Amino acid sequence: EVQLVESGGGLVKPGGSLRLSCAASGLTFSSYSMNWVRQAPGKGLEWVSAISSTSTYIYYADSVKGRFTISRDNAKNSLNLQMNSLRAEDTAVYYCARGHRSHAFDIWGQGTMVTVSS
Amino acid sequence: DIQLTQSPSFLSASVGDRVTITCRASQGISSYLAWYQQKPGKAPKLLIYTASTLQSGVPSRFSGSGSGTEFTLTISSLQPEDFATYYCQQLNSSPAFGQGTKVEIK
Repeated sequence: EVQLVESGGGLVKPGGSLRLSCAASGLTFSSYSMNWVRQAPGKGLEWVSAISSTSTYIYYADSVKGRFTISRDNAKNSLNLQMNSLRAEDTAVYYCARGHRSHAFDIWGQGTMVTVSS
Repeated sequence: DIQLTQSPSFLSASVGDRVTITCRASQGISSYLAWYQQKPGKAPKLLIYTASTLQSGVPSRFSGSGSGTEFTLTISSLQPEDFATYYCQQLNSSPAFGQGTKVEIK
């Protein structure tokens, strides 16, 4: 079964850091681009970051550029998001999602909640 | 950056109704558009990509059309399991989402 499982969410103070991980199974992880998408409570979806299959290309939303770093380890089938200088507005459920050949996101994890609050 | 505007933001419909949701892009995006369905507490599910291609396993009552700046998602006969929020997404760089359309039971 193809599966993405996020972990690492939790409560962090403003200005703090958190590292999210996404473990992939049942798919050839190294063949696909991967993405992080977030959803603030009661709000819509916001794309956060993308990384190509070999990490050659990396993209960020303006809202997180300079604070978040996406990375992947194809040997371990894992995707990561290092989040620094966290703000209250970063509070959200964070999903990892696989990039389809059309560039749509065809497989999603269940999400991990990040709460930034003092 | 390309902005996507969905209409309506909220839709009340009955089982069996034909439902149409529109997504307008601030500039032309060819057919680089996807549609997702999200139910409360769940991850989004890909329905349609490249504007009109049905994702594997998605019921044929869902269809997509459009190109350039105007796109539509149509549900030909609304089923109880279709009550959810629907999002469009442009598939170019910085893959932004529309603000969502919530489909509720009338």
